[in-house]
Amino acid sequence: SQQGEEDPQALSIQEGENATMNCSYKTSINNLQWYRQNSGRGLVHLILIRSNEREKHSGRLRVTLDTSKKSSSLLITASRAADTASYFCATAGAGTASKLTFGTGTRLQVTL
Amino acid sequence: DVKVTQSSRYLVKRTGEKVFLECVQDMDHENMFWYRQDPGLGLRLIYFSYDVKMKEKGDIPEGYSVSREKKERFSLILESASTNQTSMYLCASTLAGGPRETQYFGPGTRLLVL
Repeated sequence: SQQGEEDPQALSIQEGENATMNCSYKTSINNLQWYRQNSGRGLVHLILIRSNEREKHSGRLRVTLDTSKKSSSLLITASRAADTASYFCATAGAGTASKLTFGTGTRLQVTL
Repeated sequence: DVKVTQSSRYLVKRTGEKVFLECVQDMDHENMFWYRQDPGLGLRLIYFSYDVKMKEKGDIPEGYSVSREKKERFSLILESASTNQTSMYLCASTLAGGPRETQYFGPGTRLLVL
């Protein structure tokens, strides 16, 4: 089964609003990553947060990680139409040979 | 900037054909990956390679094989394409630190098997 599961599956907001997406996972991780995918394209890495970190920022993005609840959230502030995309979380297990396991994604629609 | 390229954006093949999907990265990445992406299932790892001529099965290797003769190139082979292999195929590589670090993706190949 998928390690990371995003919630909600779909989100529709207006430009200027904030968008929050959540990711839950089941087992211990080394890091958790968020990726964006524009329609029909490859994934683009947004941010990586390690298991000993609680919060990380990158521009309009804010990621939090709560290892006790095995969950993470991605906040996009002041959203723009160009933020319309699918967002995936990916978890990496504790072992050095671990690979990423991707969730099924949240589809974000930002309307004008 | 890291660049990962895939040989085709769209591909249409017939059942039973042998299909080659190629991926090239322009940095000295050790790890390369092939995923398939299907609606509702997210990305699933088919194979990955951690060095030239080295490969490891992912979660769904059945019906696929891979080849890595040079460090920059990783090929996915469908020996006898079937309709259930119709999917989006994504190649990725990691810059450093092993397969669990930041992955850089190619633009994807959308394969239709008729």
